Amino acid sequence: AQSVTQPDIHITVSEGASLELRCNYSYGATPYLFWYVQSPGQGLQLLLKYFSGDTLVQGIKGFEAEFKRSQSSFNLRKPSVHWSDAAEYFCAVGVLTGGGADGLTFGKGTHLIIQP
Amino acid sequence: NAGVTQTPKFRVLKTGQSMTLLCAQDMNHEYMYWYRQDPGMGLRLIHYSVGEGTTAKGEVPDGYNVSRLKKQNFLLGLESAAPSQTSVYFCASKQHYEQYFGPGTRLTVT
Repeated sequence: AQSVTQPDIHITVSEGASLELRCNYSYGATPYLFWYVQSPGQGLQLLLKYFSGDTLVQGIKGFEAEFKRSQSSFNLRKPSVHWSDAAEYFCAVGVLTGGGADGLTFGKGTHLIIQP
Repeated sequence: NAGVTQTPKFRVLKTGQSMTLLCAQDMNHEYMYWYRQDPGMGLRLIHYSVGEGTTAKGEVPDGYNVSRLKKQNFLLGLESAAPSQTSVYFCASKQHYEQYFGPGTRLTVT
């Protein structure tokens, strides 16, 4: 079964500084990968996704992520964070098999705190 | 399009009570999912459906039942609620490998 590890439970970054959130996955077949963001009391918003092709993917709100198969990683980056980026971030992996019926497997999340 | 909607938004139950959570989507998606979110646990899959009239178990199905009588609706039932089922419940539907999430239902079992 697949699994997702987000090693950092909390990360604190100063406003305007760069950000990298780590995500490692474990799965034998070809995965498809997502990053979601959740603001307090809200649902999940998709930031970006990787299915195939270019390993550097661009998302909304200035985020990007790089898929590295050799490291089983899909780290999320942003060059300059804004106070509004404070939220919970989830990495998720899905299965590219058959009809793709299986649900996503989520990491436990990284809580991002922005310092003024 | 409303996307994925969930009712109710909040609910408090007493141990042993039953209830049904409703998920509706207007995107004509075949696949639908129920997840629960607990602090420090991320989201975990409870049940899912690959089409009208079908259901399947996910990672944490015990204590829950589901039904998909209509393509646009996916119901999650708790027959006898337990405090361990206190959680935030999210429904999602899927098209082309991308899942679209509802706003969630916050359930407290006392």
